Amino acid sequence: KQEVTQIPAALSVPEGENLVLNCSFTDSAIYNLQWFRQDPGKGLTSLLLIQSSQREQTSGRLNASLDKSSGRSTLYIAASQPGDSATYLCAVITGGTSYGKLTFGQGTILTVHP
Amino acid sequence: EAQVTQNPRYLITVTGKKLTVTCSQNMNHEYMSWYRQDPGLGLRQIYYSMNVEVTDKGDVPEGYKVSRKEKRNFPLILESPSPNQTSLYFCASTPGGGNEQFFGPGTRLTVL
Repeated sequence: KQEVTQIPAALSVPEGENLVLNCSFTDSAIYNLQWFRQDPGKGLTSLLLIQSSQREQTSGRLNASLDKSSGRSTLYIAASQPGDSATYLCAVITGGTSYGKLTFGQGTILTVHP
Repeated sequence: EAQVTQNPRYLITVTGKKLTVTCSQNMNHEYMSWYRQDPGLGLRQIYYSMNVEVTDKGDVPEGYKVSRKEKRNFPLILESPSPNQTSLYFCASTPGGGNEQFFGPGTRLTVL
């Protein structure tokens, strides 16, 4: 059974810092990995999708890497801003099918203070 | 605008009173699913559908029903809600093929 773990559970940083959020998964046979952002009481916003054959994806100040063999992904946020404060979730689709359920980590609660 | 919509966004009901949460997507996606989010348990899949008239159970299907009569709609039905179904519910869709999944805004359900 796939298990996804995110470290740290919570992170508080001053504005402007570069930071790294970690995600690990127990079954390396993933189809893809997706990072989401969730604001309090709101839905999930997709940030980045990494296919199992890819090593990284970039969008603006965000960079996500994937090391499938070791079961790890990192989300790098450059020059953090107060507006980045949210819960960040990683999720994987396991197995050979492109469909299938997302298995989520518990999330990292990020607070960026001015 | 491409989106997944859910209604209602908030619902307070009583034990045993049947309810339906609607989900609709305008992206012609084949795959749709329902998740619930609970503190300490994270997001867990309830049911999913790979196409019209094709549905299957996720990890926590007990107490829920779904139907997929049209490609765009995937309602979640609680025939006899109980307090342990108090949760935040999300509908999601994807075209499959390894593409990203899109989530609705969520429905906060409270069962008294």
